[in-house]
Amino acid sequence: EAEVAQSPRYKITEKSQAVAFWCDPISGHATLYWYRQILGQGPELLVQFQDESVVDDSQLPKDRFSAERLKGVDSTLKIQPAELGDSAMYLCASSSWADMGTDTQYFGPGTRLTVL
Amino acid sequence: SQQGEEDPQALSIQEGENATMNCSYKTSINNLQWYRQNSGRGLVHLILIRSNEREKHSGRLRVTLDTSKKSSSLLITASRAADTASYFCATDAPQAGTALIFGKGTTLSVSS
Repeated sequence: EAEVAQSPRYKITEKSQAVAFWCDPISGHATLYWYRQILGQGPELLVQFQDESVVDDSQLPKDRFSAERLKGVDSTLKIQPAELGDSAMYLCASSSWADMGTDTQYFGPGTRLTVL
Repeated sequence: SQQGEEDPQALSIQEGENATMNCSYKTSINNLQWYRQNSGRGLVHLILIRSNEREKHSGRLRVTLDTSKKSSSLLITASRAADTASYFCATDAPQAGTALIFGKGTTLSVSS
């Protein structure tokens, strides 16, 4: 069964350092999402791509966060510099309208970021 | 901001019992989805119900949707220890495009 891949699974960094997360969506899925999930909360959208274009990045803290999906396939989310409040689970999801005729999203295992 | 709110926040039951979780949301929706998340892991899609549907079944899962009350419920019948997880409802919203808006979740603990 096709899955969304993410790496690394865990990342520990010191504040002010740069970190990057990678996501490889299910093959053929045009839509890719990055969510952030703080412990005890539900995920919240950071950025949404349709192919290589950003559809929604209204909740992305653009002073320190950046995201790209250059070839419309895999994606990278970067934080520079990291702050203590960035400690969270970063989840990637992908979807395809052609899959089930709805926008069901399939999630990767996530990257757990700890900022010290 | 969060659209959905699950109730209760936490639920503890014995194996074999049924578990019911509720979700309320604020704005009109196209569909509502339920996801499960095991501790420290990603989310797994359980079931999707469209706004024109009232009830849907999948195995031991039963979901209802009442758009007039802006609420949904997830029933897990004959629960098992493996059902221990957090459960989230997620809605789309016209202003959010296709991105999902999640509630805070219900943490279910099933003891054997």
